[in-house]
Amino acid sequence: GAVVSQHPSRVICKSGTSVKIECRSLDFQATTMFWYRQFPKQSLMLMATSNEGSKATYEQGVEKDKFLINHASLTLSTLTVTSAHPEDSSFYICSARDIRTDTQYFGPGTRLTVL
Amino acid sequence: SQQGEEDPQALSIQEGENATMNCSYKTSINNLQWYRQNSGRGLVHLILIRSNEREKHSGRLRVTLDTSKKSSSLLITASRAADTASYFCATDLNTGRRALTFGSGTRLQVQP
Repeated sequence: GAVVSQHPSRVICKSGTSVKIECRSLDFQATTMFWYRQFPKQSLMLMATSNEGSKATYEQGVEKDKFLINHASLTLSTLTVTSAHPEDSSFYICSARDIRTDTQYFGPGTRLTVL
Repeated sequence: SQQGEEDPQALSIQEGENATMNCSYKTSINNLQWYRQNSGRGLVHLILIRSNEREKHSGRLRVTLDTSKKSSSLLITASRAADTASYFCATDLNTGRRALTFGSGTRLQVQP
């Protein structure tokens, strides 16, 4: 099946630093990618829709200046958590939609811990 | 906000038994997708069922969709210990944006 990679898988950083997470679709081109956040033992919450060549669309309550999204190519979207704080600690997961099948494939996730 | 509710929230069965998980949603959909997630890992895609389909099979998995009741079910037959995971339904809403909205998930424990 299609594969979506995500890097890094785990990151620990100090409060105030910025962290970049990359999401790549390996088998198909994705004009649209999605970023989700998951707290322990909870479901996934959509943060934003990443659109290739245009601005991302953010969900209500998600600060666009804090979670910067760039979708520079048809296979790469990046999420940058700026000036991270401990409350930003979470599991971040990206997905890419294969328009040939409508299936969304998810990356393995990034565990962010902010000290 | 969550689109869907899943029940049960947790399910514990013995190996060899069948496991059934249910998902309900609120608005019209393009399709509904089921995923599996092992603890601390990413999501593995299981099955996509479109709004004009009623049932799909994949190996030991059977998914049904009832759009009149806005509900879906996932059946895992002859369960194995390796099926232990959280299972989520996710709806692709008929809004054009095509983001998935996730249900609350069912934690399945299969006892060897």
